[in-house]
Amino acid sequence: AQRVTQPEKLLSVFKGAPVELKCNYSYSGSPELFWYVQYSRQRLQLLLRHISRESIKGFTADLNKGETSFHLKKPFAQEEDSAMYYCALSEGQAGTALIFGKGTTLSVSS
Amino acid sequence: ETGVTQSPTHLIKTRGQQVTLRCSSQSGHNTVSWYQQALGQGPQFIFQYYREEENGRGNFPPRFSGLQFPNYSSELNVNALELDDSALYLCASSLRGEQYFGPGTRLTVT
Repeated sequence: AQRVTQPEKLLSVFKGAPVELKCNYSYSGSPELFWYVQYSRQRLQLLLRHISRESIKGFTADLNKGETSFHLKKPFAQEEDSAMYYCALSEGQAGTALIFGKGTTLSVSS
Repeated sequence: ETGVTQSPTHLIKTRGQQVTLRCSSQSGHNTVSWYQQALGQGPQFIFQYYREEENGRGNFPPRFSGLQFPNYSSELNVNALELDDSALYLCASSLRGEQYFGPGTRLTVT
C-alpha cells in the first residue's frame, strides 16, 4: 500500500543551521512527490514538487528512487521557516489523490 | 484571482446528525478533492470530483458523500455523524496536478 513516512514529529534548529526534513515513501509505481507547508494560522500551501526541480524559499528536495526518499533541505534556516511541513505523494497522474505523511514541525530559534 | 474558500469555518453537531460542508474552487479549476485531517495527523483523502463526477475515493464509508456543481463548487455531506468524525475538513481544487487548499472547516461532533 502507498505510504508516506515522516519519522520526525519535531525538528528544532538554530537560525543559520542546515535543515533536513526526512520523507520516505512506499509506492510500487512512479509517484509524484510534493512538499506542503503550513505556517501558523495559514492554509496548507504547496512548497515544491519534484518534477519542477525548483528551489523555493531556499528549499530543495531530490527524489531518490533507490532509497524511496524525498528529503527537504535548506542550507541555512531562517526563523520564518518555522512551520509544519508535510510530504505527500500522488500516483503520477496529474491531480489525483494526495497521500500525506503525518508532518514534521520545524522550529527555528535565534 | 480568488483562492479556495470553505464554509462554514467551524460548527458543532451532535452524534447521529447530518452535516453539509461547502467549498468554492479557485477560478478555472475543474477538479476538487476533499480531505479529513484529524488532530496530529496529515490530511487523509476522502474523494475527488472531476467535472461533476466522482473520480476517486479513499477509505471512507458511504455515509461520506459529495457533489460537484457546474460552476465547480462542491459539497461534502456526512450522515449519521460519529464522534470520530470530529476533524478539520479540507477542500482542494486543482489544475494541472497542483492542489490548492482552502482554510478548512473544523467539525466537532459531541
